Amino acid sequence: NAGVTQTPKFQVLKTGQSMTLQCAQDMNHNSMYWYRQDPGMGLRLIYYSASEGTTDKGEVPNGYNVSRLNKREFSLRLESAAPSQTSVYFCASSFISFGTSGSKETQYFGPGTRLLVL
Amino acid sequence: AQTVTQSQPEMSVQEAETVTLSCTYDTSESDYYLFWYKQPPSRQMILVIRQEAYKQQNATENRFSVNFQKAAKSFSLKISDSQLGDAAMYFCAYHGEGGATNKLIFGTGTLLAVQP
Repeated sequence: NAGVTQTPKFQVLKTGQSMTLQCAQDMNHNSMYWYRQDPGMGLRLIYYSASEGTTDKGEVPNGYNVSRLNKREFSLRLESAAPSQTSVYFCASSFISFGTSGSKETQYFGPGTRLLVL
Repeated sequence: AQTVTQSQPEMSVQEAETVTLSCTYDTSESDYYLFWYKQPPSRQMILVIRQEAYKQQNATENRFSVNFQKAAKSFSLKISDSQLGDAAMYFCAYHGEGGATNKLIFGTGTLLAVQP
């Protein structure tokens, strides 16, 4: 059980290049998320997918696209990278459990991808 | 909109001592969840502890406990018997009731140093 995995771990791009960040989870979670982390700031949501086949914009979606390929995989694509997209990118997944006390949801994070755009 | 504030950019504690990290939040919702995540130098985000707002009892996980004051919208993390491995960035996060359509909202983090 690897949890949430991300590839690559580190990438350098030139301005205008494109690339796809891969994320996979083996916990059978319905929901998946992409965040970016910049110095002095908390994580900010880029896109999320509540279930297979659906995606929605988060707080900072501009310049990104996503694909929920299947239940396990959720990719993030930069079509034309810009220096402002230099950041650490985290993928996360979660599921919601329902009990007598209400619902519970906890997000589990991957190890992150460090992206440098020159 | 909900916000999360961590007013301590950096903290330091001696090994084996106790330290408390502060977090306040703002929301108009009555049901929500609060989390503390740890981010060591490896940059992995690790869940430390969670608290459901409807529970009056403070959550505890081994050496980690919270002081949840709902009326004051305060959610502090206490680390007892601090260890060198506790050195990390700690993020407080808020999640509203309503499932996956409500994103996690993070504070800006507190960098904890543990002195031997």
